Amino acid sequence: AQSVTQPDIHITVSEGASLELRCNYSYGATPYLFWYVQSPGQGLQLLLKYFSGDTLVQGIKGFEAEFKRSQSSFNLRKPSVHWSDAAEYFCAVGAPESQGNLIFGKGTKLSVKP
Amino acid sequence: SQTIHQWPATLVQPVGSPLSLECTVEGTSNPNLYWYRQAAGRGLQLLFYSVGIGQISSEVPQNLSASRPQDRQFILSSKKLLLSDSGFYLCAWSVSYNSPLHFGNGTRLTVT
Repeated sequence: AQSVTQPDIHITVSEGASLELRCNYSYGATPYLFWYVQSPGQGLQLLLKYFSGDTLVQGIKGFEAEFKRSQSSFNLRKPSVHWSDAAEYFCAVGAPESQGNLIFGKGTKLSVKP
Repeated sequence: SQTIHQWPATLVQPVGSPLSLECTVEGTSNPNLYWYRQAAGRGLQLLFYSVGIGQISSEVPQNLSASRPQDRQFILSSKKLLLSDSGFYLCAWSVSYNSPLHFGNGTRLTVT
């Protein structure tokens, strides 16, 4: 069965600094990988997804993520964080046989210092 | 374009009372539908999913049930709420198994 680990529960960065949120997955083949963002009291919004092909994927709001098979990782990055990026970020993994059910990590809460 | 509606946004219910949360999707046909529960610090837990009318799969044994009476309607219910049912409930849909989930804005349920 697939699983997802987000090692960092809470990260604080200064506005304008770069950001990397870590995500490691466990799955026997190449999974479908997703990053979602959630603002307080809201649903989740898809940032980006990886199914196959180019291992560096671009998403909305200036985010990108890189799939590294050798490390079973799908880390989310942004070169310059804006105060509006403060939110909780979830990595998720899916598999073809799972009927679209995604397994979510426990999330990383991002705080942005002015 | 497709939209998902989930209501109510917040709900406070006493222990032992019934529950009904509704979710509808517009702009697509035969979507996969999902109910997730989110508890603080515990990520999202898949409760139920449905690939068609009347087809419900349960991921976790619990005090809740789900129904899909129409193609784009998904209902989460309970006959008697427990304190442990408190949480943030999210409905989601997807086109197929390899497409992203699209979430509603959630329902904050507090059982008192």
